[in-house]
Amino acid sequence: ENVLTQSPATLSLSPGERATLFCGASQSVNSRYLAWYQQKPGLAPRLVIFDASRRATGIPDRFSGSGYGTDFTLTISRLEPEDFAVYYCQQYGSSPLTFGGGTKVEIK
Amino acid sequence: QVQLQQWGAGLLRPSETLSLTCSVYSGSFSGYFLTWIRQPPGKGLEWIGVFNPSGSTDYNPSLKSRVTISVDTSKTHFSLRLNSVTAADTAVYYCGRGGGILPTAWGQGTLVTVSS
Repeated sequence: ENVLTQSPATLSLSPGERATLFCGASQSVNSRYLAWYQQKPGLAPRLVIFDASRRATGIPDRFSGSGYGTDFTLTISRLEPEDFAVYYCQQYGSSPLTFGGGTKVEIK
Repeated sequence: QVQLQQWGAGLLRPSETLSLTCSVYSGSFSGYFLTWIRQPPGKGLEWIGVFNPSGSTDYNPSLKSRVTISVDTSKTHFSLRLNSVTAADTAVYYCGRGGGILPTAWGQGTLVTVSS
């Protein structure tokens, strides 16, 4: 299976700052089938980015995704208070679908 | 926004069968990808499997021998069954629905605890 590794585990930033999250895959992700989810405590994950760089419906343009092959990045250009959460990457290019371990973006 | 409603037993003993059901308000599951994922307390997400619009299923190999995802004939409910549970199956379970393989609508989550 394609193992995803996210870094850093925790990112401590202030509102207004830029957040850069990384997701590395043990095998190349087919057709850039890489997604990012946001999860807040007690809630289901929310799709933020799919196909590595396409924003899901209703996601503001301060969120952007990039990358291909085995290296992917989620960038939040200017953090808003509602952006502090845990972010997971997921590859859906091969079965089984797999998730990274998550990056917690916390308020500094 | 579409919301799913899920229900099922929250406390199981080891070796019992986990059974959860998911439904959608005013709609059906026909033509959609139907997914189950889970999240152990304080940990990350794990993909359990998917029921495809074609009627086929795909499961995580780590659970494949114990798991079944099915849709009822009315296409208004879909279910997860996991046999022979152990403490390692303790988690919040989420159902999801999507036009593609990525869910865009989710259930509220069900905490299932396995304990003797």
